Amino acid sequence: DAGVIQSPRHEVTEMGQEVTLRCKPISGHNSLFWYRQTMMRGLELLIYFNNNVPIDDSGMPEDRFSAKMPNASFSTLKIQPSEPRDSAVYFCASGINEKLFFGSGTQLSVL
Amino acid sequence: AQSVSQHNHHVILSEAASLELGCNYSYGGTVNLFWYVQYPGQHLQLLLKYFSGDPLVKGIKGFEAEFIKSKFSFNLRKPSVQWSDTAEYFCAADSNYQLIWGAGTKLIIKP
Repeated sequence: DAGVIQSPRHEVTEMGQEVTLRCKPISGHNSLFWYRQTMMRGLELLIYFNNNVPIDDSGMPEDRFSAKMPNASFSTLKIQPSEPRDSAVYFCASGINEKLFFGSGTQLSVL
Repeated sequence: AQSVSQHNHHVILSEAASLELGCNYSYGGTVNLFWYVQYPGQHLQLLLKYFSGDPLVKGIKGFEAEFIKSKFSFNLRKPSVQWSDTAEYFCAADSNYQLIWGAGTKLIIKP
């Protein structure tokens, strides 16, 4: 298994544009997590899914952020419209039995 | 299933005290081990890593870690801490191209 796959690795966009981050979890894992790493706050949990169902989205900063998991092998995190303060590294992780495996992250820069 | 455990979520020390942060991993095969540090307001940085060879690994800023295969441990040490070592420290293990993270230890150094 290639592990948790995130795309793109880097994204540079202008303020106001829509940004979509993608994640392919490890096959067989039943949990999927989206984290954001910022300079000020470190690693923050945004949302997590269990069996494709959003369980806790209390970490999502505001309505501009949305996440979906249409099936067990794919999830997206969308920011619309993006703002410069959204610049961060976004990590996806998948898990089973409370063990987490992280992707390599997407470095997002909003200009 | 692979996992990484860090024993302490919070550690508070005085300057000049010696430091040891525990890290245990559960995986019987070949594994690469890492310690990362996140200083307040900054991104994760690599402190040191172990791939093979000498089990005592020297890192930046006076840190070292010892790989003890029989104990599945990779503890981080520093003989004399400084106030500037205040940060969060993450242990991680890499096997089969999956990076597995510990939960992190917040280290606070009192001046």
